[in-house]
Amino acid sequence: QIQLVQSGPELKKPGESVKISCKASGYTFTDYAMHWVKQAPGKGLKWMGWINTYTGKPTYADDFKGRFVFSLEASASTANLQISNLKNEDTATYFCARGGSGIMDAWGQGASVTVSS
Amino acid sequence: DVVLTQTPSILSATIGQSVSISCRSSQSLLDSDGNTYLYWFLQRPGQSPQRLIYLVSNLGSGVPNRFSGSGSGTDFTLKISGVEAEDLGVYYCMQATHAPLTFGSGTKLEIK
Repeated sequence: QIQLVQSGPELKKPGESVKISCKASGYTFTDYAMHWVKQAPGKGLKWMGWINTYTGKPTYADDFKGRFVFSLEASASTANLQISNLKNEDTATYFCARGGSGIMDAWGQGASVTVSS
Repeated sequence: DVVLTQTPSILSATIGQSVSISCRSSQSLLDSDGNTYLYWFLQRPGQSPQRLIYLVSNLGSGVPNRFSGSGSGTDFTLKISGVEAEDLGVYYCMQATHAPLTFGSGTKLEIK
């Protein structure tokens, strides 16, 4: 069955960087895009952007341009999200979700990032 | 950006009751390709979101048929015909017609 398994919780200090992984299984990784969605504590869902898993081209929503990088390890069917120069407002759960024609029909379990001095 | 306004923000229902959630868009979600990219998700407490409905009215895989979606243009509705205990959580609509993709603010379904 289709599965997206994300990396574990992270505790970071302001100014540090973090890398979150999303490993896909049960389908051909490069046939479907990967989306990233942010959920701050107690808040709703916010779309961060997506990455074309065939070409590697990322597209970022305006609020996520600059410190956020989507990347791939296609040979490992893995999509990554890296956040640099962490700020308190980056404290959130980050979800990966499968894209393409079956947009967001499968989600990772979420990766919690806490930024605190 | 397209704004999706969900009402109500909180919904309290008894088991077996039928309920509806509204999602209104600030722009038409009808795409030039003829599709309307409007989706519904349920996020149960402590879980990741689950897609219920795609392209306005199509039931996702494994989703019970007590869920149904309808609407066109800027007005959309999710209906639950006979709420069950497992339906509690927060419901979100999402549009993918216009970039950036945007979500509604959510409707919390509570079971009385």
